[in-house]
This record gives sequence, C-alpha cells and structure tokens, in this order.
Amino acid sequence: AQKVTQAQTEISVVEKEDVTLDCVYETRDTTYYLFWYKQPPSGELVFLIRRNSFDEQNEISGRYSWNFQKSTSSFNFTITASQVVDSAVYFCALSEVGSARQLTFGSGTQLTVLP
Amino acid sequence: DAGVIQSPRHEVTEMGQEVTLRCKPISGHNSLFWYRQTMMRGLELLIYFNNNVPIDDSGMPEDRFSAKMPNASFSTLKIQPSEPRDSAVYFCASSFNTYTEAFFGQGTRLTVV
Repeated sequence: AQKVTQAQTEISVVEKEDVTLDCVYETRDTTYYLFWYKQPPSGELVFLIRRNSFDEQNEISGRYSWNFQKSTSSFNFTITASQVVDSAVYFCALSEVGSARQLTFGSGTQLTVLP
Repeated sequence: DAGVIQSPRHEVTEMGQEVTLRCKPISGHNSLFWYRQTMMRGLELLIYFNNNVPIDDSGMPEDRFSAKMPNASFSTLKIQPSEPRDSAVYFCASSFNTYTEAFFGQGTRLTVV
C-alpha cells in the first residue's frame, strides 16, 4: 500500500530564512509520481510540482527547490529566503501508476513565516 | 480555462437532510476526484472517475455517500441522510489522466447541524 509521511506537523521560521519540508513515501511500484501542493489560508489547493520515479534530477523554480532521492524514498521541498506569503500548509502526495488508488496525500506541514 | 468549479461554496444543513455537491472539471480532463478534508483525517480520497466511470470508491465512508458522473463535464457527490460527522471541506479535482497533476476546485465547506 502506498503511504506518504510528513513528520513535521508545524514549522515556524523568520522571513528570509531557508526552510526544508520533509516528505518520505512508501510504495511497491517501480513507476510512480510524487507531487507537492500548497494550501494557503484561503483554503484552495495549489499544485506546485510533479516528479516521476525515473527522474531523480533536482528541480529549482525561483525560490523553490525539490530534492528527490529514491535511495531514501524522500522528496523534500526547500524554500529559500522565505517570505510571509509562503505561510501555508504544504502537502506531499504520491500516485502509483499500477494502483487503483491515486493521489494519496501526506498529513501536511503547516509553515508559518514570521515577519 | 476557468479551472475546476464547485458549488455551492458553503452549505449548512440539518442532520438527516440530503446534500448534493456539484463539480465541473476542467475541459479535456479525463479523471475526476472527490476528496474530503477534516482536521482529524486530513485529505481523504473518496472516489475517482476515469472517463466518467468510477474506478475506485473504496474511500466512500458508507452507503449514505454516492457519486455520479453522467458526462465529462459534471459530477455530483450526494450525502443522504447527512450527519454532523460529515461536516468537512469537500474538494473536487480533475486531471488529464489518473497520475498527472490534479487541479482542485475551491472546495465546498459543509456544515451539518
């Protein structure tokens, strides 16, 4: 069965600090996809990134970067020079190609960026 | 594109009443998902459809919940009869296929009193 663990329930940082959100997953499939979503206080879920299991290249998008390591089953998310607007709940999710059960979400990490 | 559209945004109903939540997915998307979000249980997948066909409904809590997708542009999630423990935010999402990124609607906040 697929499972996503986000051990950090809440993180609080001061603006301009870097912060890393951890995500560890479990799957029996060799082909799967990993995702990060952001849920700001307004409540909507915003897609940030998708990664497939065959592409371990790290990705950078502006202040956001993602580190995918199959050896440790982790897909961590780093925000560089955090801003108050980054305050949100961040969810990691997993989707197995061979499974009927799709898009399993972790429990989320509440990030608070203080001014 | 307008994105995934859900209605209503808020619903307050009395226990025992029937509740119908509606969703219009993004045009061209073949997969549609219904999720429920609560503080206690987080984001739970209730059911998903592929090409209008229900593929996995193992997340539907009980027989009081039912979902339909009569065509590619509309889906409903019905709760009958509703109970206070059904209070949650219900999200609809759609994606091009079952394992590409899903785009979420703004959710329906359901309160059953």
